[in-house]
Amino acid sequence: SYELTQPPSVSVSPGQTARITCSGDALPKKYAYWYQQKSGQAPVLVIYEDSKRPSGIPERFSGSSSGTMATLTISGAQVEDDADYYCYSTDSSGNLWMFGGGTKLTVL
Amino acid sequence: EVQLVQSGAEVKKPGESLKISCKGSAYSFTSYWIGWVRQMPGKGLEWMGIIYPGDSDTRYSPSFQGQVTISADKSISTAYLQWSSLKASDTAMYYCASLSRGIAKEYYFDYWGQGTLVTVSS
Repeated sequence: SYELTQPPSVSVSPGQTARITCSGDALPKKYAYWYQQKSGQAPVLVIYEDSKRPSGIPERFSGSSSGTMATLTISGAQVEDDADYYCYSTDSSGNLWMFGGGTKLTVL
Repeated sequence: EVQLVQSGAEVKKPGESLKISCKGSAYSFTSYWIGWVRQMPGKGLEWMGIIYPGDSDTRYSPSFQGQVTISADKSISTAYLQWSSLKASDTAMYYCASLSRGIAKEYYFDYWGQGTLVTVSS
């Protein structure tokens, strides 16, 4: 079965650049999407179609994809970016959609 | 502004049935897929299934096929998630979310409801 693999945790100091990766065999042909979930809140879309940023999402959030790995980059991470981040994509058939296991980003 | 408002928290016993709801507003409810996502306590997000309210076309994750039923009533812009016989392992937060279609004809969740906490305990 298909899987999207993320590191369980990433830790940075405020102002540093945080990078969260997501690997999946179908990513060369399928887009990656990224969601931020703060404690006790519903998820929020922060990146769609690998690198596009929805309106209202700060410019410090960016996305890229190369080969079987997609990356969410937070340039100059802020304390308020402390959250869980999930990648989202589909398998090669486009019929099975899923989230990665999630990455806990700690900014302190 | 697009809004998805979910029904309130539920406490049920194993074996009981349950139907939770998600009401959409400020958009064309029948023109967008809407889906359900499970989050068990302290765990990640799981894609359960989606429905197109316009014609009730429904797709399920293999993990949830036969375990839950997704439906919609387009006359009141409301989607539903139901169980016929709850188990303790169904204890989780359940989110509904609408889906947008991108340039590659891929569907992704954009607007989310606030979540409904379902607790199943004897």
